[in-house]
Amino acid sequence: NAGVTQTPKFRVLKTGQSMTLLCAQDMNHEYMYWYRQDPGMGLRLIHYSVGEGTTAKGEVPDGYNVSRLKKQNFLLGLESAAPSQTSVYFCASSYQTDYTGELFFGEGSRLTVL
Amino acid sequence: DAKTTQPPSMDCAEGRAANLPCNHSTISGNEYVYWYRQIHSQGPQYIIHGLKNNETNEMASLIITEDRKSSTLILPHATLRDTAVYYCIVRARVYNQGGKLIFGQGTELSVKP
Repeated sequence: NAGVTQTPKFRVLKTGQSMTLLCAQDMNHEYMYWYRQDPGMGLRLIHYSVGEGTTAKGEVPDGYNVSRLKKQNFLLGLESAAPSQTSVYFCASSYQTDYTGELFFGEGSRLTVL
Repeated sequence: DAKTTQPPSMDCAEGRAANLPCNHSTISGNEYVYWYRQIHSQGPQYIIHGLKNNETNEMASLIITEDRKSSTLILPHATLRDTAVYYCIVRARVYNQGGKLIFGQGTELSVKP
């Protein structure tokens, strides 16, 4: 049982390039989330999804787009990468009907924008 | 969601209990207290949560004061592997709005031999 898998784990981009981070979960979770974490800081929510075909903005959505075409996948896109988007990105998922609040996190994707 | 305040860092001797405090003086009646931890460079891991009663599981105990304005996470016998950043999070459980959590700075716990 893989849980939450993020790809790629590492990526270096040049300013202005685009890329997509993929998050896949095999737990049949309804909810999925993208967070970013900068050095010395806690996690900040970028976007989240409460079900297939739906997405919503979090705390820091600017410069990012997301899509949830399939229940098990949540994609985070950077259309024109900027150095300020250098960060570690974490994907998470959770149940809908279980209200324990337990989020299951992936191992992170480390993105550097030069 | 209510804001939380945690000390930025704490030390604990291996084998002793680690008591991590959290202040949430503006907590509302329908808000729960959650604890997560993040071991270096890994994704955060759920530890425990509670509303107003004390809670215990295989990882830790959560003690919430009667007025619910503060809480303490207790790791009964800390090991070196418990060295991590611990996040105290307060949020309401609202149906169909996702379990999204707002993370603060957390407490960096160092367990020393």
